[in-house]
Amino acid sequence: NAGVTQTPKFRILKIGQSMTLQCAQDMNHNYMYWYRQDPGMGLKLIYYSVGAGITDKGEVPNGYNVSRSTTEDFPLRLELAAPSQTSVYFCASSYLVSTDTQYFGPGTRLTVL
Amino acid sequence: GQQLNQSPQSMFIQEGEDVSMNCTSSSIFNTWLWYKQDPGEGPVLLIALYKAGELTSNGRLTAQFGITRKDSFLNISASIPSDVGIYFCAGQRIIQGAQKLVFGQGTRLTINP
Repeated sequence: NAGVTQTPKFRILKIGQSMTLQCAQDMNHNYMYWYRQDPGMGLKLIYYSVGAGITDKGEVPNGYNVSRSTTEDFPLRLELAAPSQTSVYFCASSYLVSTDTQYFGPGTRLTVL
Repeated sequence: GQQLNQSPQSMFIQEGEDVSMNCTSSSIFNTWLWYKQDPGEGPVLLIALYKAGELTSNGRLTAQFGITRKDSFLNISASIPSDVGIYFCAGQRIIQGAQKLVFGQGTRLTINP
């Protein structure tokens, strides 16, 4: 199993550009999550999904959109990139909701100039 | 948004020393988790605590779930160079059928050989 994979690893965007951060997991996990990590801070939840076709907002969803058409994939879309979205983005997944833990991908480092 | 108060923010120790860090919250969590993050990687779970008062060990790591459910600590005994990294606590709640994690700001551990 590859676990949770994320692409790209690094990206530089200009203000106003858009992009999609890809996340995939091969563990047949129902639950998937997107977090951002700002320098010197812990992770904050952007969006999450409890299964294909079902998504919901987390703590900091503004400026982002998600979709979940399959169990394996959970892309994160930035429509109009802003400098405040400069961060490291982590995708995570879990199988059970109560006792299972979240497994994190390696992250995507995004810089918006 | 809520974040946990994690301390200390950084530690500089000699190899072989013991390490202690803790997390406090103004609200209750059902589960406490401790993660380690290496540079350029996603967080990796070290220990999960599911019951108030629970004391759990994983090798040289020991963690406790506070009796009030508002705090947790992590101890590392006899530190070695590979313990270097950033340690995060996270409190977990189940909200609307999904795991919601709230992270601390992290403790950056540096070890002098």
